[in-house]
Amino acid sequence: QVQLVESGGGLVKPGGSLRLSCAASEFPFDDYYMSWVRQAPGKGLDWVAYISSGGITINYAASVKGRFTISRDNAKNSLYLQMNSLRAEDTAIYYCARYDMGYGAPVVDHWGQGTLVTVSS
Amino acid sequence: QSVLTQPPSVSGASGQRVTISCTGTSSNIGAGYDVHWYQQIPGRAPKLLMYANNNRPAGVPERFSGSKSGTSASLAITGLQGEDEADYYCQTYDSSLSAVVFGGGTKLTVL
Repeated sequence: QVQLVESGGGLVKPGGSLRLSCAASEFPFDDYYMSWVRQAPGKGLDWVAYISSGGITINYAASVKGRFTISRDNAKNSLYLQMNSLRAEDTAIYYCARYDMGYGAPVVDHWGQGTLVTVSS
Repeated sequence: QSVLTQPPSVSGASGQRVTISCTGTSSNIGAGYDVHWYQQIPGRAPKLLMYANNNRPAGVPERFSGSKSGTSASLAITGLQGEDEADYYCQTYDSSLSAVVFGGGTKLTVL
């Protein structure tokens, strides 16, 4: 049973930083692209970033480019999201997501339970 | 405003059929990228419901089906049940944005 467990969420002031982690288990982590997807309260799903299995290919949504950094440690089966210069509009549940790249668009075949990030003074 | 357009809400009586549309453009659905669908019950993480336009993951009932044509895709649910009440999202890739894109979501109410 694939498991993705996020941690690191919390309350942070505007302009502050936070680092999210996602611990993966029960699958060969270094074989898969991984992603972060967020959902603001009462809103829809919003893709944040993805990273290739070896960490070479990285892509960000325009709204977070230059502020957020996605990374992974395959030896620790872990995915990370470093979030800097946080804004109120970054308030959301952040989901760790596993991609299947075998189709004509990346598909999230497993989701974590999410971690809540609240940006407020 | 989402790149993919979905109706905010749909409803249907128990046992009936509903469809949820997902309209894109020539840089995403129209460019030939596959469309995927997710179901999200309030308070829970999303779950993959349909992948690559019309393929159901193991465990998803045959009542759910998907299709794609031109710049649009659709999710159909037959024999509506109370447990189908949820938010549904379509998703694909956009080559102009170089980004994964989601629809705005559709809330399904079973009457």
